[in-house]
Formats: sequence, C-alpha cells, structure tokens
Amino acid sequence: QKEVEQDPGPLSVPEGAIVSLNCTYSNSAFQYFMWYRQYSRKGPELLMYTYSSGNKEDGRFTAQVDKSSKYISLFIRDSQPSDSATYLCVMTGGSARQLTFGSGTQLTVLP
Amino acid sequence: SQTIHQWPATLVQPVGSPLSLECTVEGTSNPNLYWYRQAAGRGLQLLFYSIGIDQISSEVPQNLSASRPQDRQFILSSKKLLLSDSGFYLCACPGQGDYGYTFGSGTRLTVV
Repeated sequence: QKEVEQDPGPLSVPEGAIVSLNCTYSNSAFQYFMWYRQYSRKGPELLMYTYSSGNKEDGRFTAQVDKSSKYISLFIRDSQPSDSATYLCVMTGGSARQLTFGSGTQLTVLP
Repeated sequence: SQTIHQWPATLVQPVGSPLSLECTVEGTSNPNLYWYRQAAGRGLQLLFYSIGIDQISSEVPQNLSASRPQDRQFILSSKKLLLSDSGFYLCACPGQGDYGYTFGSGTRLTVV
C-alpha cells in the first residue's frame, strides 16, 4: 500500500465549476500537508500548506485536513482555465528530507 | 525569496552516454538541496539530498550520482545512461518560513 493515494484523474470540468481534489494517507506521523500546482513542463509550485485538522482558505482555494480519517482535500471555487494543471498533495512528519508526494491529479478546466 | 535555476530544460541522450544536470540556487545560503525524479503518472522520487558542500546522501540505489562543489551548486551526473533514467528531474530546496519547497523548472530527460 502506498503511503499516499491520490486519484490520478484526468479530471475535466467546465469553467466556474467547484473542483474537489483528494488524497488519503496511511502514515499517522504526517503532520504537515501541502498542495502543489504543476503546469506542464514546469516545476511544482507551492499552493497551500496546513498543519492541523480543519480548513484553510486562500482566495478561491480551500485546503481541508481530517487527521482522524487521514484524508485531505483541496477545493477550487469558480474554477478558471488557468487552473488547468496537475495538483500534487505532499505530506511530511516534520523532516524536510522526508516529503512524501502523491502521484498528482491532472485537472483541465474547459472555457 | 530563493530562486532555483536548472538547465538544460530538455535533453535527449543516447543510452550509454554521460549526463550532467546543473542546479544553482539564489537568495539563500547553505541550503539543503534535493534532486527528485518524476516519472509519468507517479509521484516525485527523492534521489539525493545535500546538507552542505561535498555532503551528499543517496536515497535510491541507481547509476546516478550527485555532487555539490559549491554552496549553491548541485549537480546530477551519470557515466552511462540507461533507458530507465528517462524522466523529469527537479532540483529543490526548502522554502522560507514554512514547510514548502521551492522547485526549479526541471529538466526533461529522454534516453533513446
């Protein structure tokens, strides 16, 4: 079993839709949770990070962590074509050397 | 904030040829540096990390090697490439103030 499971998609939605991206994990030592966005042929860029269970909002993006269920989500409201990218969930127990990456979900927002 | 430069952006090399990918960092001193490989449909795999000049740790046995001749320079090398070395190679360092990483723009390597 992989430590982090992420639906690879691809996911295709119309512009303006609400997008839900999800990851599950098995390692209860994970404490920090991040979402990265990766455009085609580019390096990943940090989108959001959270530490505790609950929600964190940043503009159209909301990151949700449920440690009891070992489940994290990223919600994108009013999705735009510019949101088309691969989204990676990333987790760590605290050591920067020990980041664990999901395989990424490819999202396409259609105009 | 720090910036990571990687080159080349794209590389096509024959099997058995040598490899040298370079990564340089700006905006920070004595950073931890990492080499990752991203295969299609798979998560990032940590290959090497370095905590300082000439201090390299390998996470995965392979025919690749890494060197750090200067504080802000990290090099990924191979003496003889294999087909399985194809992938997207990313250099990274920890971000400032949080647990995020800053990644370079990557090198797409195709071994033919």
